[in-house]
Amino acid sequence: EIVMTQSPVTLSVSPGERATLSCRASQTVSSKLAWYQQKPGQAPRLLIYGASTRAIGIPARFSGSGSGTEFTLTISSLQSEDSAVYYCQQYNNWPPWTFGQGTKVEIK
Amino acid sequence: QVQLVESGGGAVQPGRSLRLSCAASGFTFSAYGMHWVRQAPGKGLEWVAVILNDGSKRLYADSVKGRFIISRDNSKKTLYLQMNSLRTEDTAVYYCAKDRYSTSLEYFDSWGQGTLVTVSS
Repeated sequence: EIVMTQSPVTLSVSPGERATLSCRASQTVSSKLAWYQQKPGQAPRLLIYGASTRAIGIPARFSGSGSGTEFTLTISSLQSEDSAVYYCQQYNNWPPWTFGQGTKVEIK
Repeated sequence: QVQLVESGGGAVQPGRSLRLSCAASGFTFSAYGMHWVRQAPGKGLEWVAVILNDGSKRLYADSVKGRFIISRDNSKKTLYLQMNSLRTEDTAVYYCAKDRYSTSLEYFDSWGQGTLVTVSS
């Protein structure tokens, strides 16, 4: 089973500033890495797939990068509505599909 | 647009059974693999099970293997999760999720709102 590790656990960022979230896989997942956003009381929403491709309707301020075992989600200019928990997920080696433990983004 | 609506959650005692349903609309249900993912209170996401579009293959997380059964009825556009021998650690919100592709299993592009299962004596 591939273990996904996210850092930091919590990130506090001022509006308009950049937020950088990290995700590391215990073994290579190539570019088969997705990012999801989950707001309180809501279902997760797909943000990024293929490590760097934005899903339909996702604002351009969200970008993903990386391959192999190291990945990054960047929110270029944080908006208040971006306050959420963000999960990375690998889909290169399954079952199981595995998620990171999440990074909570707070607005400072 | 894609809509997934779960139902069937509730409170149940350890050792009992429960069946969840997920009604799908807005896409060709019979063409896509479908997953169940759960989230314990205050915790992260855990993949539970997947079924191929035609039901020919089913895969499970080790934590539920032998106790849970995933199935689907393409004529009713509905996904199911039969949960047997429930344990307290199965307490979670259960989400159904649609796989992105019709010809392979990859990531999840649409999710339902979830249904809460509470296992407690």
